Amino acid sequence: DQQVKQNSPSLSVQEGRISILNCDYTNSMFDYFLWYKKYPAEGPTFLISISSIKDKNEDGRFTVFLNKSAKHLSLHIVPSQPGDSAVYFCAASVRGDYKLSFGAGTTVTVRA
Amino acid sequence: NAGVTQTPKFQVLKTGQSMTLQCAQDMNHNSMYWYRQDPGMGLRLIYYSASEGTTDKGEVPNGYNVSRLNKREFSLRLESAAPSQTSVYFCASSEAGHNYGYTFGSGTRLTVV
Repeated sequence: DQQVKQNSPSLSVQEGRISILNCDYTNSMFDYFLWYKKYPAEGPTFLISISSIKDKNEDGRFTVFLNKSAKHLSLHIVPSQPGDSAVYFCAASVRGDYKLSFGAGTTVTVRA
Repeated sequence: NAGVTQTPKFQVLKTGQSMTLQCAQDMNHNSMYWYRQDPGMGLRLIYYSASEGTTDKGEVPNGYNVSRLNKREFSLRLESAAPSQTSVYFCASSEAGHNYGYTFGSGTRLTVV
């Protein structure tokens, strides 16, 4: 049973507009959340993360929001660029645990 | 600066054949992991090694074995391949206790016919 869920398999957005990717989790013990980005034929690369003691973390065009009561997080990309076209994975971990649990991924396509 | 290196990149096996996927990292990381990626399933943990000399099962360990040969190398073995093991396999490494610092290899695409 997947503990991290990304219910939107794909997202298409126009260049310059905002991309919003959503992620839900079921394990209340998760306390650290991450987003990874993956291009075809490459491994995932770390993008941004957030600890459960925060509700927002920003890094350039990327912002992650965490709503602990709803067990929901989202990734905002503003503005979206063609190079952002990739698969985005949401991941989570329990404090002190080495392992990450991943969602199924959302494929983002940025249209020119 | 290689990071995490996986070999081979592609492999086709017949049902029942065995093979070993190799993984090596040059970042002096303590922890290493094997994940598989399947459509609609995301990345699922097969086995991990928190530190040299230890290995533990992940979410989907059946049909696989691992060896943490030394701090750098962590191999994944399929003893008797099955079509259900057709997947893309990723090796990753991280500092102990720093689960945000996963570095992934570029993957091995395995097809079992």
